[in-house]
Amino acid sequence: GENVEQHPSTLSVQEGDSAVIKCTYSDSASNYFPWYKQELGKRPQLIIDIRSNVGEKKDQRIAVTLNKTAKHFSLHITETQPEDSAVYFCAASITNAGKSTFGDGTTLTVKP
Amino acid sequence: ETGVTQSPTHLIKTRGQQVTLRCSSQSGHNTVSWYQQALGQGPQFIFQYYREEENGRGNFPPRFSGLQFPNYSSELNVNALELDDSALYLCASSPGQRNTGELFFGEGSRLTVL
Repeated sequence: GENVEQHPSTLSVQEGDSAVIKCTYSDSASNYFPWYKQELGKRPQLIIDIRSNVGEKKDQRIAVTLNKTAKHFSLHITETQPEDSAVYFCAASITNAGKSTFGDGTTLTVKP
Repeated sequence: ETGVTQSPTHLIKTRGQQVTLRCSSQSGHNTVSWYQQALGQGPQFIFQYYREEENGRGNFPPRFSGLQFPNYSSELNVNALELDDSALYLCASSPGQRNTGELFFGEGSRLTVL
């Protein structure tokens, strides 16, 4: 089955700096790669996603890149703000397969 | 538009007991997935329901079972509770057929097994 590894497990940056979180996956059939943000005590919420036919996607301060050959994808957050502090999860899935496999999360702390 | 709601939010059970968790899917969504999130880990897929039928199951024993009702709400039942079942149980709904992409999560039910 699919296995998703996420690094680093914790990340601390100064406000205004960039943050990068990386994930690798094992199943070459996976074709959908979302990123979820989970604030303390709250539900995970989608912040950006990418499909296997696209190499990069950007939405304001966040971007995701995908390297299908290497089976890895990354989340990039620029100009970080304290409200970006949360746990971020990557996931991989196959459309219509009924299952998303999540990484173990990265706790991002943005220091003012 | 009503989001995904789960009940109860918190509950405490003892080893060997049984528990039922409930989930109402977001309006217009016909697919419901259940995930177990242990402390410090990512959500682990338990199973998914699409139009009242199970559509995929993760590596969980048969004492984890579920139902989906005609209104697309769902239940997760866990029998013979073990200490390791202590976790946050997340329900997620999605529109369309099976897993088309984004999961819309509820706030979760936090289960503590003593």
